Amino acid sequence: EVQLMESGGGLEQPGGSLRLSCAASGFTFRNSAMSWVRQAPGKGLEWVSVITDNTFTTFYADSVKGRFTISRDNSKSTLYLQMNSLRAEDTAVYYCVKEVYFGSGYFDSWGQGALVTVSS
Amino acid sequence: QSVLTQPPSASGTPGQRVTISCSGSRSNIGSNTVTWYRQFPGTAPQLLIYINDQRPSGVPDRFSGSKSGTSASLAISGLQSEDEADYYCAAWDDNLSGLLFGGGTRLTV
Repeated sequence: EVQLMESGGGLEQPGGSLRLSCAASGFTFRNSAMSWVRQAPGKGLEWVSVITDNTFTTFYADSVKGRFTISRDNSKSTLYLQMNSLRAEDTAVYYCVKEVYFGSGYFDSWGQGALVTVSS
Repeated sequence: QSVLTQPPSASGTPGQRVTISCSGSRSNIGSNTVTWYRQFPGTAPQLLIYINDQRPSGVPDRFSGSKSGTSASLAISGLQSEDEADYYCAAWDDNLSGLLFGGGTRLTV
């Protein structure tokens, strides 16, 4: 059974930093592209970033480009999202998702989500 | 950044058929596959349709997807009260080099 477990969320002040982690199990992590998707309170889904399986190529939404960095450690089956220069509008539940085909938006597994609150 | 347009709401009565549209452009729906998700309040989204019209195992055949040109649709037949949820479409955009979600459609039964 595929499991994605996010951690690292919490309350941070504007301008601060947080790092989310996602521990993956139940599938061959190194063979899967992985993404982060977020959802602000009462709002819709917003894709944040994707990292490919072996080449570690990354893409970002314009809203986070230059501030967020996605990375992965295939030896630990763990996905990361380093979030710097946080803004109030980054407040959201952040989901770690497994992508079946890179660039398809075909996410067959989602984590339970980690809440990030940016507020002074 | 949401350039996939969905109606904010849809409704139907039990047993009816309802369709939710997702309108995009040549760089996203026109060039790439469409995926549909369903989300119940307080829970993570669930995969409903992938590669335009494919259903994952466990999704009843009451749910069907289609794509034509730069638009896609999700159809739900034999509407049930438990179908009340938010529905999202998604597609990669070649110009943005990023994934787009539609704004979401809240279905009321």
